[in-house]
Amino acid sequence: GAGVSQSPSNKVTEKGKDVELRCDPISGHTALYWYRQSLGQGLEFLIYFQGNSAPDKSGLPSDRFSAERTGGSVSTLTIQRTQQEDSAVYLCASSLGHSNNEQFFGPGTRLTVL
Amino acid sequence: QQQVKQSPQSLIVQKGGISIINCAYENTAFDYFPWYQQFPGKGPALLIAIRPDVSEKKEGRFTISFNKSAKQFSLHIMDSQPGDSATYFCAASISGGATNKLIFGTGTLLAVQP
Repeated sequence: GAGVSQSPSNKVTEKGKDVELRCDPISGHTALYWYRQSLGQGLEFLIYFQGNSAPDKSGLPSDRFSAERTGGSVSTLTIQRTQQEDSAVYLCASSLGHSNNEQFFGPGTRLTVL
Repeated sequence: QQQVKQSPQSLIVQKGGISIINCAYENTAFDYFPWYQQFPGKGPALLIAIRPDVSEKKEGRFTISFNKSAKQFSLHIMDSQPGDSATYFCAASISGGATNKLIFGTGTLLAVQP
């Protein structure tokens, strides 16, 4: 079946602009995660959605970052007033649910902030 | 306490040889330990995972060895092939908690020479 999909695959923006990154999880997966992969920081957790529960936002690096998940499926990660240090690959993953840790990753969105 | 330490940072192995990558953790609440394989420009792909109730898990040429008392686990790639050349990440998480976020090691760049 289809895996996790993300769009766009690449995004180049200017410092100060807002960007939106999209994630379509695997059908039937109730848990969705966002991670960031950068050269200096490795792979770091950003936010976690599970069903209708309040999301775990503990990994968001600043209040410029936000995410939502509509209808328990598609998720959008928004970065406001982008900074050069936001340049990274943003990865989305999904899993079957709270008791199942097997996370399957999408191909990522490479964000470059000029 | 949330860190997962991974070594070596890079590894060169001859075709047919054994590749060994090691990880160590501090948090004894971790109960799920996956390994991910990542090729350039792709998202991480789940390779194999283990829980602490077993000391070893084998899937094809890939084996995880787990030492609960030492809080260490390792990935062994038997009969390494050039197609195994990739970056490997270990990770750890706590099941059934407020989040199933993965804490990743810093990655090992494996090069298998023909």
